Amino acid sequence: DQQVKQNSPSLSVQEGRISILNCDYTNSMFDYFLWYKKYPAEGPTFLISISSIKDKNEDGRFTVFLNKSAKHLSLHIVPSQPGDSAVYFCAASVRDSSYKLIFGSGTRLLVRP
Amino acid sequence: GAVVSQHPSRVICKSGTSVKIECRSLDFQATTMFWYRQFPKQSLMLMATSNEGSKATYEQGVEKDKFLINHASLTLSTLTVTSAHPEDSSFYICSARKATVGGYTFGSGTRLTVV
Repeated sequence: DQQVKQNSPSLSVQEGRISILNCDYTNSMFDYFLWYKKYPAEGPTFLISISSIKDKNEDGRFTVFLNKSAKHLSLHIVPSQPGDSAVYFCAASVRDSSYKLIFGSGTRLLVRP
Repeated sequence: GAVVSQHPSRVICKSGTSVKIECRSLDFQATTMFWYRQFPKQSLMLMATSNEGSKATYEQGVEKDKFLINHASLTLSTLTVTSAHPEDSSFYICSARKATVGGYTFGSGTRLTVV
């Protein structure tokens, strides 16, 4: 049972435009969400996070939106740059004693020059 | 910043042998470390949660006798793949949790190839 889903395996956008990566979750107990960027054969790099008590968090070119009623979050990157090309994973956690992260399947973003 | 060092970055071993992967938090103490496995073009699958000084908690379907986890100190966790088989070939990634926002720091991963 996939608790965190990224239904788009890939996304291609033009440089300078907005990239929107989507993520859905099923576990209503998740209360903290994170986005990671990953290159092949490397570990994920943290981008931005959001607590379930918020609906938006912004950090530079990256903004994460959370819609709790729809169990949906999205990452907006604007303007997109070629260096943003990578695989993006959303992850969710329940702040119980385990603090474990559950990852989605990832979306490969290609930003075309 | 928080840095996690994972070693080795890649290893090739023969079937039936054991391989140890180390995960170190270099500049912070990590009471909890996590071990993930990633197959090509797939998600990071959590294998186990490692707590310093106690037994690891394994996810469903992960064989604890095959994937031995030791978290002997607040800065070191090890994953030993015992009696490795070709199907154990994968990319293994560790993560250490620091009690801050976005406080999960990942190692650079280990590419294990069993021949």
